[in-house]
Amino acid sequence: ELKVEQNPLFLSMQEGKNYTIYCNYSTTSDRLYWYRQDPGKSLESLFVLLSNGAVKQEGRLMASLDTKARLSTLHITAAVHDLSATYFCAVAHTSGTYKYIFGTGTRLKVLA
Amino acid sequence: EAGVVQSPRYKIIEKKQPVAFWCNPISGHNTLYWYLQNLGQGPELLIRYENEEAVDDSQLPKDRFSAERLKGVDSTLKIQPAELGDSAVYLCASSQRWQGNSADTQYFGPGTRLTVL
Repeated sequence: ELKVEQNPLFLSMQEGKNYTIYCNYSTTSDRLYWYRQDPGKSLESLFVLLSNGAVKQEGRLMASLDTKARLSTLHITAAVHDLSATYFCAVAHTSGTYKYIFGTGTRLKVLA
Repeated sequence: EAGVVQSPRYKIIEKKQPVAFWCNPISGHNTLYWYLQNLGQGPELLIRYENEEAVDDSQLPKDRFSAERLKGVDSTLKIQPAELGDSAVYLCASSQRWQGNSADTQYFGPGTRLTVL
């Protein structure tokens, strides 16, 4: 059974600090996604990671994928208040029965 | 480009009543998904369509939930009868069909927040 876990579940950090969110998954995956969700809003796609060692960066966010460790990270550099949101990873597995499983989410609050 | 459109945005009903949600995906997107999102949790896939065919409905509670995607474009999700535990946000998403190394990124609609009293 494909399971996706994120940690931490909650993260409160000061502006200007760096931090990393972790996404672990239990079985082999075809690709991994990161999404952002603001309170009361829908999900916005941030990154798609397709292969081992893939790294994507956009502004203060950088995502990476290690398929051997079944781990993806979302690194935040010099956090700003606008990054406050809930971040979800999602893992797709298309061999056999299609699966698209979201992680538990990490609620990030950046304090000014 | 217009995004995924959902209606209504909010719905309050009494238990045992029927309810329906509507979704219009991004033009040209073959794949359509319906998700349920409970407060503080990630979305859970209910059903996935490739064009008009439901290719994965294993997580859809078929005793009370039904969905259709006529002509492979718009879709409706229905609950009859609704139960208290169905209160959640129902999200619709669409994507282009997965082909080789292309990424089938899902684009989500704003969701319908259902409250069952």
